[in-house]
Amino acid sequence: SSELTQDPSVSVALGQTVRITCQGDSLRNFYASWYQQKPGQAPILVFHGKNNRPSGIPDRFSGSSSGDTGSLTITGAQAEDEADYYCCSRDSTGKHVVFGGGTRLTVL
Amino acid sequence: VQLVQSGAEVKRPGASVKVSCQTSGYIFSTYGISWVRQAPGQGLEWMGWISGYNGNTNDAQKVQGRVTMTTDTSTTTAYLELRSLRSDDTAIYYCARDGWAAPDTMDSWGQGTLVTVSS
Repeated sequence: SSELTQDPSVSVALGQTVRITCQGDSLRNFYASWYQQKPGQAPILVFHGKNNRPSGIPDRFSGSSSGDTGSLTITGAQAEDEADYYCCSRDSTGKHVVFGGGTRLTVL
Repeated sequence: VQLVQSGAEVKRPGASVKVSCQTSGYIFSTYGISWVRQAPGQGLEWMGWISGYNGNTNDAQKVQGRVTMTTDTSTTTAYLELRSLRSDDTAIYYCARDGWAAPDTMDSWGQGTLVTVSS
């Protein structure tokens, strides 16, 4: 099992807001980065650090952190946001990188 | 920024595989490369990182001792070699641009290389 825990699946109605969470002790000391992966495609970075959205990523994607939990929020989810989302950060030793198990987002 | 990986491989158990990741569009020595794999139907697994600046590496414990990551700065290409292949090494292997001093954020990814281990 991963040191970063994500809900396996989440659903959201079109146009509504959804929060995808990632829990792990290391998140008390390190920020999470978030990756979106659609079927048959490589992952892409959608948010990282305290408040960093890569160029080209819609501003409906935002991130936050509190205690041992990091969150990715999609405000006004669109059909094209349906994908697997992975959080990523350091492991409990701080030396290595670890991914969460992933959350499958369904847009209804 | 582009990362272009080598083609699919089929290997026998116990063999080795070497995957390449040719980069362009940025200064190679100012970034590192992380390697990530994804078994069929499974999540992402970080395998390790190599600095494009000085060749320092950081391997995941799960593959330590079986993996070697190298770079060729003259061709701005990174390589991942995995030895003593097992069936559970069957996966898509991705390279991704990362921090130069330590693994940080993977901001550009290669297209992936499917490695199949089968007898």
